[in-house]
Amino acid sequence: ETGVTQTPRHLVMGMTNKKSLKCEQHLGHNAMYWYKQSAKKPLELMFVYNFKEQTENNSVPSRFSPECPNSSHLFLHLHTLQPEDSALYLCASSQDPWSGLTPLHFGNGTRLTVT
Amino acid sequence: DAKTTQPNSMESNEEEPVHLPCNHSTISGTDYIHWYRQLPSQGPEYVIHGLTSNVNNRMASLAIAEDRKSSTLILHRATLRDAAVYYCIPTSGAGSYQLTFGKGTKLSVIP
Repeated sequence: ETGVTQTPRHLVMGMTNKKSLKCEQHLGHNAMYWYKQSAKKPLELMFVYNFKEQTENNSVPSRFSPECPNSSHLFLHLHTLQPEDSALYLCASSQDPWSGLTPLHFGNGTRLTVT
Repeated sequence: DAKTTQPNSMESNEEEPVHLPCNHSTISGTDYIHWYRQLPSQGPEYVIHGLTSNVNNRMASLAIAEDRKSSTLILHRATLRDAAVYYCIPTSGAGSYQLTFGKGTKLSVIP
């Protein structure tokens, strides 16, 4: 149990589908993050939310739409994805995104396959 | 961000100590050195971090060179559960917080 729970663990979707990834943290953290991990590439930061407000969007295509209704929940809404979007999507949380001293806590990710 | 260099892979025998090196020659004076690891089929997990002094916790020790241009993560007795990719990440202690993960070192533990 990591304290950060992601669902579903695996998702297969067609390019015309709409789906959502869910992340929940029970650590009392204020910041939440989405990362993308493609095969043979390093982790890439996608979005950062601090106290429900988006503070970072790392030039992510609009077919990825994040939503943070409160500090404990984070969603990633997906629509009209491409096969190259197939990857492991990781959610993380931390106490304070503005301090380099508070560690990130990651979930175990959603393995997404776009067909 | 400071550039890091880590070996692509390392091997260790079970119950032996493991020293995982990292070069970060362009690190700034205020950058902390963080280590994370990623076990197979899991998200990364925090291991340890330090600034100048050597650091110990229940998972590992971190030895930082006096000039701070390199550091070494030390696992005192490797277990099969320590087989993972280990990431060394210098990061600013102030301002916008963003971990930049490199390729890391894949550690294999031989029974």
